[in-house]
Amino acid sequence: GIQVEQSPPDLILQEGANSTLRCNFSDSVNNLQWFHQNPWGQLINLFYIPSGTKQNGRLSATTVATERYSLLYISSSQTTDSGVYFCAVEALRAGNNRKLIWGLGTSLGVNP
Amino acid sequence: KAGVTQTPRYLIKTRGQQVTLSCSPISGHRSVSWYQQTPGQGLQFLFEYFSETQRNKGNFPGRFSGRQFSNSRSEMNVSTLELGDSALYLCASSLAPALSANYGYTFGSGTRLTVV
Repeated sequence: GIQVEQSPPDLILQEGANSTLRCNFSDSVNNLQWFHQNPWGQLINLFYIPSGTKQNGRLSATTVATERYSLLYISSSQTTDSGVYFCAVEALRAGNNRKLIWGLGTSLGVNP
Repeated sequence: KAGVTQTPRYLIKTRGQQVTLSCSPISGHRSVSWYQQTPGQGLQFLFEYFSETQRNKGNFPGRFSGRQFSNSRSEMNVSTLELGDSALYLCASSLAPALSANYGYTFGSGTRLTVV
């Protein structure tokens, strides 16, 4: 089945710094989402981005489907950005078997 | 509009008992999926329901089951609980009306189950 790898696994930033999180996937996808999981476990949908580029405030994401990777950019980081960032994909060949396959996440800590 | 609602938020059960978790999807969403999150295994797919039918099932033992009602609300049940079932159980709803449609998932806050 499709594999999802995220890097780096851990990241510590000083408030105000920028960062780039990467997600590599091993097969074609028809869905790719970036989520932020807060300390209470809530998964917050950041981007639905199977291809192209999107921006939302200080966050932006780019997926290059032909090269099978996606990047999440966080600019001017704030302490509230801390948490775990997950990339999840749905394989194009899933057909009837719709499900998200998850990376292991990037744990981000932002220090004041 | 209201998001995905999961109840209860927290549960403590004893080994051997059974548990039922509930998920109400976003109004108009007919697809409901369940995921288990543990520190050791990460996020794993349990099953997906669409229009009261289970369309897909993950690699979990038969003790894990679910159903979906005509109003799209879904329940999952775990029987004969084991210590390893302690996890955060997350429910997601999706608008996807057809298998080929590409719609994202919205997640609830989860139910944290502790088995003692």
